[in-house]
Amino acid sequence: EVQLVESGGGLVQPGGSLRLSCAASGFTFSRYWMSWVRQVPGKGLEWVANIKEDGTETHYVDSVKGRFTIARDNGKNSLSLQMNSLGVEDTAVYYCARLGRQMDIWGQGTMVTVSS
Amino acid sequence: DVVMTQSPLSLPVTLGQPASISCRSSQGLVYSDGTTFLTWFQQRPGQSPRRLISKVSNRDSGVPDRFSGSGSGTDFTLKISRVEAEDVGFYYCMQGTHWPITFGQGTRLEIK
Repeated sequence: EVQLVESGGGLVQPGGSLRLSCAASGFTFSRYWMSWVRQVPGKGLEWVANIKEDGTETHYVDSVKGRFTIARDNGKNSLSLQMNSLGVEDTAVYYCARLGRQMDIWGQGTMVTVSS
Repeated sequence: DVVMTQSPLSLPVTLGQPASISCRSSQGLVYSDGTTFLTWFQQRPGQSPRRLISKVSNRDSGVPDRFSGSGSGTDFTLKISRVEAEDVGFYYCMQGTHWPITFGQGTRLEIK
């Protein structure tokens, strides 16, 4: 079964850092672009970042550039999102998704709350 | 950035009746290889998004054939031929042609 499982969410103070992980299974992870998408509870979807199959190309939404870093470990079938200088506006459910431009498989999401 | 505008934002529908959601992009969505990266997602209450349709009109495996996508250029449509109770939730269009990837605001489908 194709599956994505996120972890690492939680409560963090403004200005703090958090690292999210996404464990992939059931498919050849190294053959796919991967994405992070977030959703403020009760609001719409916002694409955050993408990474190419071999990790050589990444893209970010402007609001996270310089603060967030997407990375992958193809040997461990794992995707990560390092989030620094977090602000209250980063509070959301974070989803990892397979594919860069068409997102066919989504994880269940992990909640990140930025609050003092 | 490409702005994706959905309408309506709220869609009350009687069971068994058709439904239609429009999605308009502020720029054309044809990629350099000729592909149009226009995707439709469904998000049921309390669930993760689920892809229904990719590349304008390609229905995903397991998606009922009452769902269909169409359109070209900057004007796209998701149609449900006969709404069922399990179709309740939000529907989002997304363009993957231009960076940054952008979503529509979402359309809430409810049973009248």
